[in-house]
Amino acid sequence: DAGVIQSPRHEVTEMGQEVTLRCKPISGHNSLFWYRQTMMRGLELLIYFNNNVPIDDSGMPEDRFSAKMPNASFSTLKIQPSEPRDSAVYFCASSFAGANVLTFGAGSRLTVL
Amino acid sequence: GNSVTQMEGPVTLSEEAFLTINCTYTATGYPSLFWYVQYPGEGLQLLLKATKADDKGSNKGFEATYRKETTSFHLEKGSVQVSDSAVYFCAGSAGGGSQGNLIFGKGTKLSVKP
Repeated sequence: DAGVIQSPRHEVTEMGQEVTLRCKPISGHNSLFWYRQTMMRGLELLIYFNNNVPIDDSGMPEDRFSAKMPNASFSTLKIQPSEPRDSAVYFCASSFAGANVLTFGAGSRLTVL
Repeated sequence: GNSVTQMEGPVTLSEEAFLTINCTYTATGYPSLFWYVQYPGEGLQLLLKATKADDKGSNKGFEATYRKETTSFHLEKGSVQVSDSAVYFCAGSAGGGSQGNLIFGKGTKLSVKP
């Protein structure tokens, strides 16, 4: 298995633009997590899904952020409109539900100018 | 809710020095505990884990013992190498109905000098 695949690896955009980050979890994993990592706040859980259903989105900063998981092999995290304070590395991770062992992707580094 | 607290870094050591990174947890019940490592430019990787009290997780020369009496899970290595330079995260299962979610500490950056 190629592991958790995230794209793009790097994104530079201007304030106000829409950003879409993509994630392909490991085949067979039924939980998917989106995290954000910054120097100031460390690693923050944004949202997680079990069996494609959002379970906890209390970490999503505000309505500008949305996440979807239309099927077991794909998820998106969208920011619209983006702001400079959204600049961070966004990680996707997947696991078997209840297994507690997360496999992380390499991350998407977002810079909003 | 559950929480994890780990020592702040950065930690700078010389090669072959002894490493300890402290981690304590607050939880209802007994969470599973983990150490993840993040090398520069990469995602987090599971380093080791322990699922119950007195369990010892070990991998790549690193060890951590689940101490219920002190609610701790300190990471240790007897002789660090330059290649161990990374950020280390302590984590615990969130518990309740969280279905696999983990609570992460803020991370401790380790730099090992030759």
